Amino acid sequence: EVQLVESGGGLVQPGESLRLSCAASGFTVTSNYMSWVRQAPGKGLEWVSIIYSGGSTKYADSAKGRFTISRDNAKNTLYLQMNSLRPEDTAVYFCARGPGYYGVDVWGQGTTVTVSS
Amino acid sequence: QSVLTQPPSVSGAPGQRVTISCTGSSSNIGAGYDVHWYQQLPGTAPKLLIYGNGNRPSGVPDRFSGSKSGTSASLAISGLQAEDEADYYCQSYDSSLSGYVFGTGTKVTVL
Repeated sequence: EVQLVESGGGLVQPGESLRLSCAASGFTVTSNYMSWVRQAPGKGLEWVSIIYSGGSTKYADSAKGRFTISRDNAKNTLYLQMNSLRPEDTAVYFCARGPGYYGVDVWGQGTTVTVSS
Repeated sequence: QSVLTQPPSVSGAPGQRVTISCTGSSSNIGAGYDVHWYQQLPGTAPKLLIYGNGNRPSGVPDRFSGSKSGTSASLAISGLQAEDEADYYCQSYDSSLSGYVFGTGTKVTVL
């Protein structure tokens, strides 16, 4: 079964760091475009970052310089390292396969990040 | 502020047809980038509804259809059902931002 399972969310103070993980099953992370998408409480979806199958990456302006997307081939896992967290980073973070030709066709269940003092 | 604008809400009676617009610009939809649509039920992850402007993944009812013209795209839901009450988002790529963008989102209410 094709599945994505996120972990690593939690409550942190402003300025702290957090690493999110996303374990994939049923397909290979390195062969696909993989993204992180977030949703602040009561708000819409916001694309955060993508790592392409070739390894290149892109970031939303809100994440540039603070977040780093990466993957582990052996563990078939996607990561998002988030540094210098701000209250406005508070959101549910979804791991996702895509967007590619088929859009985002697989979504994780989401992990909640709360940045508050 | 998203570069893809959707109406905040649309509503219709069961059985009716509703449409959701997604208005972009020459750096995203108008540049030829594909538009995808997602449905998000309360408290759940989004689900792919339409990919590549007008294609339905397997399992998505043919009541849902998508189209694209110029700098805009549309999602139509025909034969509206109670279970269609959800938030709907369009998504594309923007060359000016060099990144992916989601629409502002539309809440569909079945009266």
